[in-house]
Amino acid sequence: NAGVTQTPKFQVLKTGQSMTLQCAQDMNHEYMSWYRQDPGMGLRLIHYSVGAGITDQGEVPNGYNVSRSTTEDFPLRLLSAAPSQTSVYFCASSGTDLGGYTFGSGTRLTVV
Amino acid sequence: SQKIEQNSEALNIQEGKTATLTCNYTNYSPAYLQWYRQDPGRGPVFLLLIRENEKEKRKERLKVTFDTTLKQSLFHITASQPADSATYLCALDMANDYKLSFGAGTTVTVRA
Repeated sequence: NAGVTQTPKFQVLKTGQSMTLQCAQDMNHEYMSWYRQDPGMGLRLIHYSVGAGITDQGEVPNGYNVSRSTTEDFPLRLLSAAPSQTSVYFCASSGTDLGGYTFGSGTRLTVV
Repeated sequence: SQKIEQNSEALNIQEGKTATLTCNYTNYSPAYLQWYRQDPGRGPVFLLLIRENEKEKRKERLKVTFDTTLKQSLFHITASQPADSATYLCALDMANDYKLSFGAGTTVTVRA
């Protein structure tokens, strides 16, 4: 049981480049979310999904896109990377049993 | 908008003592509150969930209280050990839609 798998673990982008952060879960969880974590600011919600085909914006959605074509996968796309998007990104999933969110190990992204 | 404050960035305690962390929130009445542990370079790990109609919840050496009148949760680590050293995050689901908002966290250091 792998839980939540995020790839890559580290990435360096140049300003203006695009990329996709991958997230997959094998727990058949309905709810999935993307967060970014910056020093002193805690975790901030970027986008979330309550099931396949359904996504919605969180607190800081600008510059990011998501899609949820399957229950398992929830990729996060950076459209045109900016230095302000330098952060650690976490994907998380949860079922309906109020057992809390399971987080991935994170992607550390640097935009230069 | 909802604001979540963990009113101590860092807490240093002696092994064997009880650590008490505070989480305060404003404006909304969440259906439940969660606590997570995060170690450096890792994703958060779910510890406990307490519902609005529960006053107290325990799990091993952990105890959480939830006072909806004061809009406050207290998180206690009893008989603390150096292995308890980590950052502890509180999280709220304001609208019961699995959209979690997090506090900035309190870093606990337990001295042997």
